[in-house]
Amino acid sequence: NAGVTQTPKFRILKIGQSMTLQCTQDMNHNYMYWYRQDPGMGLKLIYYSVGAGITDKGEVPNGYNVSRSTTEDFPLRLELAAPSQTSVYFCASSGRSQETQYFGPGTRLLVL
Amino acid sequence: AQSVTQPDIHITVSEGASLELRCNYSYGATPYLFWYVQSPGQGLQLLLKYFSGDTLVQGIKGFEAEFKRSQSSFNLRKPSVHWSDAAEYFCALYINTDKLIFGTGTRLQVFP
Repeated sequence: NAGVTQTPKFRILKIGQSMTLQCTQDMNHNYMYWYRQDPGMGLKLIYYSVGAGITDKGEVPNGYNVSRSTTEDFPLRLELAAPSQTSVYFCASSGRSQETQYFGPGTRLLVL
Repeated sequence: AQSVTQPDIHITVSEGASLELRCNYSYGATPYLFWYVQSPGQGLQLLLKYFSGDTLVQGIKGFEAEFKRSQSSFNLRKPSVHWSDAAEYFCALYINTDKLIFGTGTRLQVFP
C-alpha cells in the first residue's frame, strides 16, 4: 500500500514551459487536493476534487489546471511556467473521514 | 474569517526537555483541528487530530495536544523531546467546505 505518490520529485523549468505534476493514490479515496508550500507561508490550496470528474478551485488556482478522470489520479498542469510558481507542491487525499488528509512526498519545482 | 495562527516561527530545545508548540484558530463553528509534522524533504505526516469529546488527544510519537475552546487554542506538547523530533510542525483547521487551513508552521530545532 503506497498511499499517495507524486512524480517527479524535482524539476527545473524555464519560463514559459509547461509540465504536469502527477499524483496517484491507492486508497480508493474520493477527495484529492493540490497544495503549494512556500517558505514561511504554510500550505495553500490550489485545486481540489471530490470525486472523478469533479474539480474546484482552491485559494490560489491561477496558472494551474487539473483534471480527474479516475479516482486514483489527480494531475496538476502548469501551462506557462512563471518564476512565481517556484514552490514545493503537495498532493493529498482523504476518504470517508474526509477531514483527515494524507499527503504525498512532494514535488520541488524551480522555474528559471 | 477562518484562520490558524502559529505564533512561534522557530523554537529551539535541548534533547530531553519538554516542548509546547502553540496554535490558535479562528472559526465560528466547532473546529476540527490537526497537527502535522514535516521532516526535511518529506511530506506531511498526521500526528493527531481533534474532532470532539475528550479535549486532550494523544497522537503518534509521544505527542499530545489539548483543545481549549475558551482560548481558541490547540497546543501541541511532548514531555521529553528526542533529536529525531526536529522538523516543521503545522497546525490545521478543517472547515466545512472540504478544506484544510494551515498555519505557517513552527520549525523545531533540537540540541543534544
